[in-house]
Amino acid sequence: KNEVEQSPQNLTAQEGEFITINCSYSVGISALHWLQQHPGGGIVSLFMLSSGKKKHGRLIATINIQEKHSSLHITASHPRDSAVYICAVRSGDMRFGAGTRLTVKP
Amino acid sequence: EAQVTQNPRYLITVTGKKLTVTCSQNMNHEYMSWYRQDPGLGLRQIYYSMNVEVTDKGDVPEGYKVSRKEKRNFPLILESPSPNQTSLYFCASKVGSSYNSPLHFGNGTRLTVT
Repeated sequence: KNEVEQSPQNLTAQEGEFITINCSYSVGISALHWLQQHPGGGIVSLFMLSSGKKKHGRLIATINIQEKHSSLHITASHPRDSAVYICAVRSGDMRFGAGTRLTVKP
Repeated sequence: EAQVTQNPRYLITVTGKKLTVTCSQNMNHEYMSWYRQDPGLGLRQIYYSMNVEVTDKGDVPEGYKVSRKEKRNFPLILESPSPNQTSLYFCASKVGSSYNSPLHFGNGTRLTVT
């Protein structure tokens, strides 16, 4: 069993919809990262969390340390949000989820 | 512009022919690492380096070598590539002094070994 599990694996939404991507992990962590991988392959760090909630524009990330769970929310989704979203945890080294492929249709 | 630069972006080679993928960062980061990304498996760490002349194995180091002679460069060497090393490779760097600093990724190198 992977130490970092993401759901769903694939997600298709209509423009404007509210999106939630979930991440559960089974190890003790010092931080959790949400990454965005563009269709061209490049990876960008969106958030780094160790507790609570962070917001950047239309993106919100939350983490519940006791439940070992994090969510990434996208409000008012747009086709340019189409990408693979990857959850990663720092437990010693980095451990990555398999990613959630999001497609937002106009 | 602060960045991590990988070269080449695409590489097709044959089994057994030694190759090097270069990685360079201009942010004076102590920590650098290499990952491979395969469908269904996500990113897996190959090697990492906490600073110059300090390297350690990640989850999947077999068949790879690295060196860290200078702070800015962290090349990945495949002495005798095999088809199971066909993958998408990413180099990344971060400030080494903090566990919680963000990773900066290169644009990736897509390697095909025939």
